[in-house]
Amino acid sequence: GDSVTQMEGPVTLSEEAFLTINCTYTATGYPSLFWYVQYPGEGLQLLLKATKADDKGSNKGFEATYRKETTSFHLEKGSVQVSDSAVYFCALSELPGGGADGLTFGKGTHLIIQP
Amino acid sequence: DTEVTQTPKHLVMGMTNKKSLKCEQHMGHRAMYWYKQKAKKPPELMFVYSYEKLSINESVPSRFSPECPNSSLLNLHLHALQPEDSALYLCASSQVRRNTEAFFGQGTRLTVV
Repeated sequence: GDSVTQMEGPVTLSEEAFLTINCTYTATGYPSLFWYVQYPGEGLQLLLKATKADDKGSNKGFEATYRKETTSFHLEKGSVQVSDSAVYFCALSELPGGGADGLTFGKGTHLIIQP
Repeated sequence: DTEVTQTPKHLVMGMTNKKSLKCEQHMGHRAMYWYKQKAKKPPELMFVYSYEKLSINESVPSRFSPECPNSSLLNLHLHALQPEDSALYLCASSQVRRNTEAFFGQGTRLTVV
């Protein structure tokens, strides 16, 4: 079956540091890839997505590129802020028949940014 | 409007109680989902409704009973829950097609005492 593997953390960085959160996946088909963010006490928000190889998703200074050859979708940000402290989930979705079957999530990476 | 609204935000219930969680969206999405999230864990899929019909039930105990009365509403009826059912229950919706993302609500924090 499908699976997503990501570093679990916690990852602790100083403000303005460079961020990379690794994500790799296994899938039987050709999935769409997502990064979701969950702030304390809240639901999940879509951060960015990519739907085909070499696509780059970007939002709020975060970027991730869909690498089919390495089955990866690593999240990066050039300069993190305290407000980026949250849990980040890498996820994939396969809809081979066009139906909705939900998302497969990684275990989540807890990011802590210190001032 | 890109909101999925869940009520209540917090719920404490006894093991003999019956309660319901509600979820509403007005984005015209025809797929709606219930997820369960325990602390420090990723969301786990419970149910999927597609065009108001239950399409996926991930072996969830019968004390959880979903209902989709129309294309905008999704309920989760709870009865005779156990303390281990305490969790954040998340509702989500999406279009029924490839390459689409799911929109999540803020969740209901459920505590079973």
